[in-house]
Amino acid sequence: EPEVTQTPSHQVTQMGQEVILRCVPISNHLYFYWYRQILGQKVEFLVSFYNNEISEKSEIFDDQFSVERPDGSNFTLKIRSTKLEDSAMYFCASSVTGTGPSPLHFGNGTRLTVT
Amino acid sequence: GENVEQHPSTLSVQEGDSAVIKCTYSDSASNYFPWYKQELGKRPQLIIDIRSNVGEKKDQRIAVTLNKTAKHFSLHITETQPEDSAVYFCAASTSHPNTDKLIFGTGTRLQVFP
Repeated sequence: EPEVTQTPSHQVTQMGQEVILRCVPISNHLYFYWYRQILGQKVEFLVSFYNNEISEKSEIFDDQFSVERPDGSNFTLKIRSTKLEDSAMYFCASSVTGTGPSPLHFGNGTRLTVT
Repeated sequence: GENVEQHPSTLSVQEGDSAVIKCTYSDSASNYFPWYKQELGKRPQLIIDIRSNVGEKKDQRIAVTLNKTAKHFSLHITETQPEDSAVYFCAASTSHPNTDKLIFGTGTRLQVFP
C-alpha cells in the first residue's frame, strides 16, 4: 500500500535557525497538508496546498512558515526562524481529491525539537 | 470558528467490554467524519469514516453513528482487546473546492485492561 513518507524522522535545531521538513506524498494524490501535534495534544491543521498554491491556512501558519513543492514529488515545510514553541511532531498528509470528502493519509511525522 | 469537541479524554475498560467515544462539531456544513487511531509515537491511522448522507457505518468490531441534527457523532468499539489501546481522534471536514482540511477533536486515550 502506498504511503506518505517524511524525512527526517527527528530534527533538533537551535532557536532562530531555519528548518526544512520534507515529505513525499502518495503519487496520485493532488492535495497536500501539514499538521502539527504538540506532545500530548491534538492534531492541528497548519496548511493545505493544491495546484502549486496554498488553498487554506490556519492562524498558526504565520509568516515564519512557508510551503513549497519544488519538484513533482516533494512537498516541504520551512520554518524560517524557529522558536521554542515550534517543538512538536509535524505530520504531512495527502488526499486524492479536495472536491468532496476524501480520507487523509498521514506520514510518520518529523519530531522537531527546538533548543 | 470550526471546532470539534471530544469526550471522554480518557477511557479505561476491561477486555471484552464496549467503548464509546463521543464528538460534537460546530460547523453545520461539515459532511465528512473520520476517526483516527494513534499509537504512541506513530502517525494517526484512519480506522473508519462516515459521510453526512449516512447515519451509521460498521466495520467488524467498530461502528460509527452520526446525528446531523444534533451535530454529534460517536465511535463504538465492541469486544475490546488490549491492542485497541491507543489515542483515538475524531475529526470533521467541510467540502471545499481545494482542500479536505480536517479539524480534529482533542483525543481520547483508551486503555483496555486484560
